[in-house]
Amino acid sequence: AQTVTQSQPEMSVQEAETVTLSCTYDTSESNYYLFWYKQPPSRQMILVIRQEAYKQQNATENRFSVNFQKAAKSFSLKISDSQLGDTAMYFCAFMKPINKLVFGAGTILRVKS
Amino acid sequence: EAGVTQFPSHSVIEKGQTVTLRCDPISGHDNLYWYRRVMGKEIKFLLHFVKESKQDESGMPNNRFLAERTGGTYSTLKVQPAELEDSGVYFCASSQGTGAGETQYFGPGTRLLVL
Repeated sequence: AQTVTQSQPEMSVQEAETVTLSCTYDTSESNYYLFWYKQPPSRQMILVIRQEAYKQQNATENRFSVNFQKAAKSFSLKISDSQLGDTAMYFCAFMKPINKLVFGAGTILRVKS
Repeated sequence: EAGVTQFPSHSVIEKGQTVTLRCDPISGHDNLYWYRRVMGKEIKFLLHFVKESKQDESGMPNNRFLAERTGGTYSTLKVQPAELEDSGVYFCASSQGTGAGETQYFGPGTRLLVL
């Protein structure tokens, strides 16, 4: 069975600084997808970034980028120039093709002014 | 375009009562998923509909949970009778097709508290 581990329950960062959230996963699959979702306080969960395992190039979406290390089964999220609006719970998730999402426990990120 | 909506946003019931949660997916999305997050733990998959058919219900905890999606539009998740351990946040998500790695779009969740 696939598992996803987020080892940092909580993190904080100063506004405008960079922060990296960790995620590791365990699978025997060769083809799969990885996601980062964020859930701001009292708001719904939205997709931050998506990575296809067969693509070696790390995905990037504006200030958000990932460091995908397939051999190490690691999928960390880097947030550059942190903003107050980035304060949220961040979930790392794994998906086999045409299948359900398997989530980590989440990391609460607080951006401080 | 409206996102995934869920009703109610919060529900407080007593043990033994029945609760029905509703999810309206994004219009045109054939795939509808239910997930649950029990306090402090991972979000876990419950089941997956493709249109009105249950594609995968391997995550349903027991027969006290009944999910339906009549007509392939909105879905309901009924818990009867509710137990204390059913408390948590129930999320619904939808996706358009069944392509590999299709992004799922989430609703705001229903917070269920069973006393």
